[in-house]
Amino acid sequence: EDQVTQSPEALRLQEGESSSLNCSYTVSGLRGLFWYRQDPGKGPEFLFTLYSAGEEKEKERLKATLTKKESFLHITAPKPEDSATYLCAVQEVQGAQKLVFGQGTRLTINP
Amino acid sequence: DAGITQSPRHKVTETGTPVTLRCHQTENHRYMYWYRQDPGHGLRLIHYSYGVKDTDKGEVSDGYSVSRSKTEDFLLTLESATSSQTSVYFCAIKGGGARETQYFGPGTRLLVL
Repeated sequence: EDQVTQSPEALRLQEGESSSLNCSYTVSGLRGLFWYRQDPGKGPEFLFTLYSAGEEKEKERLKATLTKKESFLHITAPKPEDSATYLCAVQEVQGAQKLVFGQGTRLTINP
Repeated sequence: DAGITQSPRHKVTETGTPVTLRCHQTENHRYMYWYRQDPGHGLRLIHYSYGVKDTDKGEVSDGYSVSRSKTEDFLLTLESATSSQTSVYFCAIKGGGARETQYFGPGTRLLVL
């Protein structure tokens, strides 16, 4: 059974204080690993897809990396507007292109 | 937004009543999904569709049914709502390619009293 575990559950940082969020996964064959951002009261917003170990993608202050067992979302010099819940999900090679989500990391950036 | 609307956006109902949630897309995507999101559980797949009249179950499908008679609409029905179905429901869409991304709607907040 596919499993996705995100840590920490919550993270509070000062503005400009860089950190990383972790997503550990267990899947029989990985087709893709997805990162989403979710603001309160809204639907998840797509950030990145990673397909193979060693791959990296960047967008503004965010960089996502992937190994064979985990993914990291690095946040460099965050701003208060980066406060959100960050969700990780995996899609396996077999099956009908379904996503299995972790429980998310709630990130708060204090000014 | 990815051309997805959900209706209603908020609903309060009583235990035992039927409830239907609607997801509408303007993108003509092949795949459509229904998830529920609850504290401590994250997003869990209820049902999904891979074409008109083609649907299958997800991990938490008990108590729910779905229908897709047109490409653009995917309906989720709670035949007899229970308090355990109080949740936020999200619809998602995806193109037919294996590497395409799921895009989510704004959600429906359902309270079953």
